[in-house]
Amino acid sequence: ETGVTQSPTHLIKTRGQQVTLRCSSQSGHNTVSWYQQALGQGPQFIFQYYREEENGRGNFPPRFSGLQFPNYSSELNVNALELDDSALYLCASSLTANYGYTFGSGTRLTVV
Amino acid sequence: DQQVKQNSPSLSVQEGRISILNCDYTNSMFDYFLWYKKYPAEGPTFLISISSIKDKNEDGRFTVFLNKSAKHLSLHIVPSQPGDSAVYFCAAFGNQFYFGTGTSLTVIP
Repeated sequence: ETGVTQSPTHLIKTRGQQVTLRCSSQSGHNTVSWYQQALGQGPQFIFQYYREEENGRGNFPPRFSGLQFPNYSSELNVNALELDDSALYLCASSLTANYGYTFGSGTRLTVV
Repeated sequence: DQQVKQNSPSLSVQEGRISILNCDYTNSMFDYFLWYKKYPAEGPTFLISISSIKDKNEDGRFTVFLNKSAKHLSLHIVPSQPGDSAVYFCAAFGNQFYFGTGTSLTVIP
């Protein structure tokens, strides 16, 4: 049984820097989506990938970008970090876009 | 603009009693709804879902009710157990998932 794993679990970055967060999805899960969860809020949809192509995007600026790889891993890249980017970033994978998602434990990003 | 709302940030229930968590949404085009449970330091765990063509879905102690005319979703947990203590998120799917802000459930032994 494999789940969704994210790395690193915690990260501290300085404003203006760039960060890459990683996610390893369950084998066979072609759909992966990324969420940002600020303190006291529900997860906010960033974008979704299906078979290595972005097929959905939330209300986030272009400095949030992603990649999905054939081995079911994916990345979230954030450029020019701002203090408000401090949040828990969740990755979720699914067989199809309408199926139940499996979430990772998240990466806690702190921007100082 | 919050399209999915959970107006109760917290709820306390005695062990063995019923827990009822509520969720309201604004977009009548949402066609799929889910409840997630989240423990501290873990990602959300899928709990139960319901399609908009149904008004009830049951899975063990968990039942989700959907009232489309009222745009209201509820999760019933019967009987509640201390291990159910967690934050519960409802989510609605249109072209993407929209999450509520969560309700923290505490089941008192």
